[in-house]
Amino acid sequence: GAGVSQSPRYKVAKRGQDVALRCDPISGHVSLFWYQQALGQGPEFLTYFQNEAQLDKSGLPSDRFFAERPEGSVSTLKIQRTQQEDSAVYLCASSRPTWDKNTEAFFGQGTRLTVV
Amino acid sequence: AQKVTQAQTEISVVEKEDVTLDCVYETRDTTYYLFWYKQPPSGELVFLIRRNSFDEQNEISGRYSWNFQKSTSSFNFTITASQVVDSAVYFCALSGPYGNNRLAFGKGNQVVVIP
Repeated sequence: GAGVSQSPRYKVAKRGQDVALRCDPISGHVSLFWYQQALGQGPEFLTYFQNEAQLDKSGLPSDRFFAERPEGSVSTLKIQRTQQEDSAVYLCASSRPTWDKNTEAFFGQGTRLTVV
Repeated sequence: AQKVTQAQTEISVVEKEDVTLDCVYETRDTTYYLFWYKQPPSGELVFLIRRNSFDEQNEISGRYSWNFQKSTSSFNFTITASQVVDSAVYFCALSGPYGNNRLAFGKGNQVVVIP
């Protein structure tokens, strides 16, 4: 597609519910990133994939957060047993390989998750 | 650890005024990259510029200009003759030697341009 596509754009979940957020990266982009952006804050890194390999998941805040990219294209961020502090905008970004220093990350519009 | 500080949270200017956004960073890497992104109300982050740590040349792109000073660990951004369409949140970000991998963002500057 023309850009990074995320769905749904908005998600309201009851506390304790599981959610799945989807990211369709730009075609051909091997690198994919997830960020969490709390209200009034800058994005915080969650995890990074190169193709289907999850190379860095050090930013995931707890073991309730899980991300996958099984075929090296679409990625899903899953949050189990959601809690109110999980309320945030979840941004996905993709780029050419990160060793290509002349590239930048392209971001999607994000999924706004509200846990009630 | 990498850290980016954007001290001003909200800045209001009257259209056609200039506005400068300050960015101060901390890193232990000798090679690193600095970025500015714009986040309009629609939510997506729009890339504006990338600068590597070995290139201290200032850059101008239309009404935008950037001043990189390694000696003070600053990478400031100026919008000249601001327009209403410039109203957005602007983020400064820092990455390590591998380019755009794992960006560390500042808290952002909310710029409001008043017609």
